[in-house]
Amino acid sequence: DAGITQSPRYKITETGRQVTLMCHQTWSHSYMFWYRQDLGHGLRLIYYSAAADITDKGEVPDGYVVSRSKTENFPLTLESATRSQTSVYFCASSEPFFAGVGNEQFFGPGTRLTVL
Amino acid sequence: SQQGEEDPQALSIQEGENATMNCSYKTSINNLQWYRQNSGRGLVHLILIRSNEREKHSGRLRVTLDTSKKSSSLLITASRAADTASYFCATDSVAQGGSEKLVFGKGTKLTVNP
Repeated sequence: DAGITQSPRYKITETGRQVTLMCHQTWSHSYMFWYRQDLGHGLRLIYYSAAADITDKGEVPDGYVVSRSKTENFPLTLESATRSQTSVYFCASSEPFFAGVGNEQFFGPGTRLTVL
Repeated sequence: SQQGEEDPQALSIQEGENATMNCSYKTSINNLQWYRQNSGRGLVHLILIRSNEREKHSGRLRVTLDTSKKSSSLLITASRAADTASYFCATDSVAQGGSEKLVFGKGTKLTVNP
């Protein structure tokens, strides 16, 4: 199915454990993004990627690592999870602005992560 | 830091009424977008308005943009219970270079009562 998928949808882990959240898109969009959504803070950008092997920090990158070896995948890893990383994580993708189609972002369904 | 800030934070109306949400931002933009988020779901793009546009329509949605005041409004006419959701504005920033990276506001939670 075309679209953007995230896995797992729900995850409970313990402090100190490594967790990887997966994101896969089928549109071949060049840009991909990771956000976290918390009450009172709205949506905040963690990392983004302009293309395979090109990534950059967003507003709240500390404690997170990303990679993008293939255009369609953009995994987010919490190297040593902390309770403050309990949140809902959204992956998104978009075309570059110069493509003339605008830069609307397409979002996945989210992963609800709880760190105990 | 937040670029866009929505107002009000929450809005409750009756079905059939119009709903107006506002967004203010701080720096020069290329475009401003509105998204909707139903409870427990991802965000869905509604409409994009470019900095050289003043008004745009899409179905029951009307968006205005006033770059001199750095503000935008989203009007939903003849609201339905299915419009119940949170609405976010998102802006890029000319100063940050490139328009792909967006900054989202905290959202307006709209409740439409049947």
